[in-house]
Amino acid sequence: EAQVTQNPRYLITVTGKKLTVTCSQNMNHEYMSWYRQDPGLGLRQIYYSMNVEVTDKGDVPEGYKVSRKEKRNFPLILESPSPNQTSLYFCASSLTPRGARSHQPQHFGDGTRLSIL
Amino acid sequence: SQKIEQNSEALNIQEGKTATLTCNYTNYSPAYLQWYRQDPGRGPVFLLLIRENEKEKRKERLKVTFDTTLKQSLFHITASQPADSATYLCARGDTGFQKLVFGTGTRLLVSP
Repeated sequence: EAQVTQNPRYLITVTGKKLTVTCSQNMNHEYMSWYRQDPGLGLRQIYYSMNVEVTDKGDVPEGYKVSRKEKRNFPLILESPSPNQTSLYFCASSLTPRGARSHQPQHFGDGTRLSIL
Repeated sequence: SQKIEQNSEALNIQEGKTATLTCNYTNYSPAYLQWYRQDPGRGPVFLLLIRENEKEKRKERLKVTFDTTLKQSLFHITASQPADSATYLCARGDTGFQKLVFGTGTRLLVSP
């Protein structure tokens, strides 16, 4: 089954304790992206990756890091989490949205709810 | 910056009626608009895409329109069912930009 898998689904942690949210897709997609979803603000892009070893900032990258060492995995790293990073996080993947194929629909994971105390 | 505006108030309709959701955009027309459905505790699921040069797109009970004069897209669900209850997200995409800009979504409640 084609899917995007995120882990963990839920996490409660404390300020300053480094954490990693994993994301894996089995569709051989080049493009992967991380979003956060907050009430009244909708989905906002944190980072995206066009392919292995190619990453770039989205709209709200502060406080986050990503890496893309393999095509299928795109982990999101919070080096020193703070309460304002409490949110619902989504990973998504698609075929490369470029040129004539720029309209590619994105496939989303089921989300990770992070609470930073 | 490009924005997408959706009605934040929930839309309540009766089963069998047509639900119509609105998505307004600012500035220039996007190359395309995408509509997603999101259920509680789940990630968004892609439903339909409509390009700037298309006026209307259909898929089963779903219909999307794109009006560049009004800077608006309408999303219709005909013969709505309680199972259609969910939040519907509109997103704009622009050629050359590797991201979608999402609206905040409109919650649809279909009562039996």
